[in-house]
Amino acid sequence: TQLLEQSPQFLSIQEGENLTVYCNSSSVFSSLQWYRQEPGEGPVLLVTVVTGGEVKKLKRLTFQFGDARKDSSLHITAAQPGDTGLYLCAGEGTTSGTYKYIFGTGTRLKVLA
Amino acid sequence: DTEVTQTPKHLVMGMTNKKSLKCEQHMGHRAMYWYKQKAKKPPELMFVYSYEKLSINESVPSRFSPECPNSSLLNLHLHALQPEDSALYLCASSQERPPLRPGGYTFGSGTRLTVV
Repeated sequence: TQLLEQSPQFLSIQEGENLTVYCNSSSVFSSLQWYRQEPGEGPVLLVTVVTGGEVKKLKRLTFQFGDARKDSSLHITAAQPGDTGLYLCAGEGTTSGTYKYIFGTGTRLKVLA
Repeated sequence: DTEVTQTPKHLVMGMTNKKSLKCEQHMGHRAMYWYKQKAKKPPELMFVYSYEKLSINESVPSRFSPECPNSSLLNLHLHALQPEDSALYLCASSQERPPLRPGGYTFGSGTRLTVV
């Protein structure tokens, strides 16, 4: 069974601080996505990473896909209250020849002004 | 048009009611999904439609009945729900399933369902 564990589960920080969220699995994924979800809304796709070791930047957000394509990280620099939300990683791959799309357990971030 | 539109945004229904959730996309996506999300949890897959045919039913109770009238529309018919079915119901779409290339899903804003 493919599982994606995110850590930490909850994070409350002050505006201006840096943080890193991790997404880990024992399985290999062909690609991985990161989403942000605000209360009462659907998840919004932030990025897709495909190649092992790949790094993508989106303003203050830096995403990295592990060399073995089993894990990923999201680093936020100088967090702002607008970054508050639920961050979800999602991996796609094949298990026993069947395509699967798996969501991570989620990281709830709160940035205090 | 790069959106998935869900209606209604909020729904309160009794356990004996019949209601329907609607989802629409005009991105030409051929795979559409229903997810259920409880508070502070990740989305849980319910149904997958691929090229308007039901391809995955994740052992969802029969009180939830999906329907895909055409490639742009996805409905979820609700009947005799229980209070524990209260949740955010999300519709999503993707180009294909499995995808020809990775790209993630486009989600709607969801329907907040409360069963009383």
